[in-house]
This record gives sequence, C-alpha cells and structure tokens, in this order.
Amino acid sequence: QLQLQESGPGLVRTSETLSLTCAVSGGSISDGRQYWGWIRQPPGKGLEWIGNVYHGGNAYYNPSLNGRVSISIDTSKRQSSLRLNSVTAADTAVYYCARGMTTVTANWFDPWGQGTLVTVSS
Amino acid sequence: DIQMTQSPSSLSASVGDRVTITCRTSQTIYNYLDWYQQKPGKAPKVLIYDASSLQSGVPSRFSGSGSGTDFTLTISSLQPEDFATYYCQQSFSTPFTFGGGTKVQIK
Repeated sequence: QLQLQESGPGLVRTSETLSLTCAVSGGSISDGRQYWGWIRQPPGKGLEWIGNVYHGGNAYYNPSLNGRVSISIDTSKRQSSLRLNSVTAADTAVYYCARGMTTVTANWFDPWGQGTLVTVSS
Repeated sequence: DIQMTQSPSSLSASVGDRVTITCRTSQTIYNYLDWYQQKPGKAPKVLIYDASSLQSGVPSRFSGSGSGTDFTLTISSLQPEDFATYYCQQSFSTPFTFGGGTKVQIK
C-alpha cells in the first residue's frame, strides 16, 4: 500500500526558502497514471493547491504563489520535493503531499501524507 | 481560476440524519469533481471522485451526484464517525481549487 511521508524544517525564517521532501514507499513512483501534488492548509483554514509534478518532470503551479514555487520528482530516490522561496508569515501552514491519480474522466488525490507544519517567523 | 462555492459552511445534524452538501463551480468542469473528508489533525481522505465514483473502502452511505457546475455530496444516514469537515475540489483545470469546506457537527 502506497504511503507518503513529508519531512523538512518546522521553522523557516522570513524571506528564506522553505524546502520539503515527500518520501514514497510501498508502491510505484513511475506509473504514468499518477502524478504528485502538494497542498497546504493554514491553521484553522481551508485547503490550497500548491502544484503538481508529472512523471516526465512537467510541473504546474498555483499562480497565487507568484512564481515562488518549484516542485520536482526524483524517481531514483523515490521522493518529490517542494521549494517555496521568499516566504512570509502567510506561508505558515500544514503542508501535505499527495499522490494524484488520473483517468480519462477524473483526477483525484489519494493517498495523502500525514502533513507537516511549517511556521514562518523572523 | 475556477471558483468553488460550497454550502453550507457548517451544519448540525443527528446520527441517522440524511445530510446534503452542495458545491457550485464558476464554469463547467464536466465530472472533474472530488469530495474529501477531513477529521481534526488528520490529512484529507478522498470519498468520491469523478463526481459520483465511490473510492474503494468508503462506506456506501456516501454518494455524489451532479455534472457541469452543480454537485452534491449526500450522506444517507449520518454515523458518529462522519462528524468532520468536507471539501469539494475541481480537478478539471489548473489551478486546482477547493471549496471552503463544510463542517458537520453533532446536534
């Protein structure tokens, strides 16, 4: 059964770069029917899609992040990585990675990692 | 961006009640609509994808319907473990967007 685990610093200084990795275990990371997503949730608020990376390395990002985000995948290490630069307090959130599944008529995220809280502070 | 309008934002219901949550999108998304359940301190879990397809392992009391711009999640008989927050999400086009959530509370 596929499992995902996020890891990275829990505290990032204002204006610096947030870097997280998502370790994938228990299943294929190279299946063309899947992609890897990152989603975040500020404390007490709703979910915000950050972006997806696909098997060939193509990535799509939320424009609301103003070009500050980069998502990659390393199949040899079985992990996806998220980088968000020039962070502010507004980037404080629980960050989730998730496996995306795709068919001709649908896309959905399953499973999700447990999430990791990242606090941005000076 | 496709805007998601989810309603209600919260509701109170009793065990055994039938519960309906709606999600409206600002443009057609065909059937690219997913529903997630999130319990406090936990990651979201997919219940329904493709607007009406039940994810494996999810109880059959959950069902989804709709297409185009109007969608519904129904819980036919609310159980104690169903008290949670529910989110709709469109996956038709990027940026993927989520509804604001519906918190289902005990009456």
